[in-house]
Amino acid sequence: SQTIHQWPATLVQPVGSPLSLECTVEGTSNPNLYWYRQAAGRGLQLLFYSVGIGQISSEVPQNLSASRPQDRQFILSSKKLLLSDSGFYLCAWSQLLNNEQFFGPGTRLTVL
Amino acid sequence: AQTVTQSQPEMSVQEAETVTLSCTYDTSENNYYLFWYKQPPSRQMILVIRQEAYKQQNATENRFSVNFQKAAKSFSLKISDSQLGDTAMYFCAFEGDGGSNYKLTFGKGTLLTVNP
Repeated sequence: SQTIHQWPATLVQPVGSPLSLECTVEGTSNPNLYWYRQAAGRGLQLLFYSVGIGQISSEVPQNLSASRPQDRQFILSSKKLLLSDSGFYLCAWSQLLNNEQFFGPGTRLTVL
Repeated sequence: AQTVTQSQPEMSVQEAETVTLSCTYDTSENNYYLFWYKQPPSRQMILVIRQEAYKQQNATENRFSVNFQKAAKSFSLKISDSQLGDTAMYFCAFEGDGGSNYKLTFGKGTLLTVNP
């Protein structure tokens, strides 16, 4: 069966510090991968998605970036965090076209 | 661009009763997919039910069923025999079958509380 992992679960970082959130999927190959952000009391906003190694599409201009160095690894990064980057970050995967997305447990990021 | 609207920010229901959550969407595509996700206090997003637009039959999953009205662009979720564990945020989501492949558009969610 497939599983998706995210770490860390919780992170508190000062403004201006770098960020690296990691997501890995097990039990499948060549998945579509996604990063979402969920602000408090709001829905999910798609940040990035990837259909293959090295292929990243950005949905929203921001100071975040994403990379996919391996087939089942998806990384969300920032060189300098802003207060507005605080939120709950969810990674998800799907297989091929128009299948449901399966979500990881999420990372709660607080920027102080 | 597609939009998904959930007009009920909060709802409550008594245990064992039935509740219906509303969702409407806007799209120019003819074929697409609709989903309901549940996010309990743990914040884990869990798929509840899925509907393919080309299927006329409404999807059902145990106590969960949908009323899909394609012409009205409406996709409501009915929860029968509500249980305390159904307390969660519920999100309606849309995925197109055209140029916007792969991407889910979410509504803002409905917070459902099941009262004992």
